[in-house]
Amino acid sequence: DTGVSQDPRHKITKRGQNVTFRCDPISEHNRLYWYRQTLGQGPEFLTYFQNEAQLEKSRLLSDRFSAERPKGSFSTLEIQRTEQGDSAMYLCASSFLLRDEQYFGPGTRLTVT
Amino acid sequence: KNQVEQSPQSLIILEGKNCTLQCNYTVSPFSNLRWYKQDTGRGPVSLTIMTFSENTKSNGRYTATLDADTKQSSLHITASQLSDSASYICVVSADDYKLSFGAGTTVTVRA
Repeated sequence: DTGVSQDPRHKITKRGQNVTFRCDPISEHNRLYWYRQTLGQGPEFLTYFQNEAQLEKSRLLSDRFSAERPKGSFSTLEIQRTEQGDSAMYLCASSFLLRDEQYFGPGTRLTVT
Repeated sequence: KNQVEQSPQSLIILEGKNCTLQCNYTVSPFSNLRWYKQDTGRGPVSLTIMTFSENTKSNGRYTATLDADTKQSSLHITASQLSDSASYICVVSADDYKLSFGAGTTVTVRA
């Protein structure tokens, strides 16, 4: 399967714990995007990478959130001191050129109890 | 503020019937409009993409239309199948990489 993959698919954690998600984009894609989707809503933009450089962060990305793409390939999204409001589906997408179609991964469903 | 509004919020149709979903947007400048299908618990998958100059585009039983003057789009599903049960999201791209997503229309197809 050469699509975008995300790991884990589901994560249940207790409030206050840290969690980290991984995204592996399509191999030739150098643009990578993170989105958050709450129930009944469309995805909301969180952040964007071009290769290893994080070029933009949404104001939704509080200081408890950090994203990295150290080698310009896979990316990680870490949430520190999780809160119940962080419960959502976290989607990763990738594209080759800036305005190309973005291909989405299956998402990581986070539940904070 | 760029906005994308979809209607209806949800609908139920019988297998084999047709349905039409609506999307109104205020995104400016406009680059393209996409319809995505999202199965429960999965990431969105692209169905169609249309630029300013395109009025209609088909992908199998899915046909999308675009009226860039009125900033409206529709997605028509013909001869619905049980596998069409999903959320359909209208996504509009401005003249950059940022996508504006609608909240989606949940379609349930019943036998």
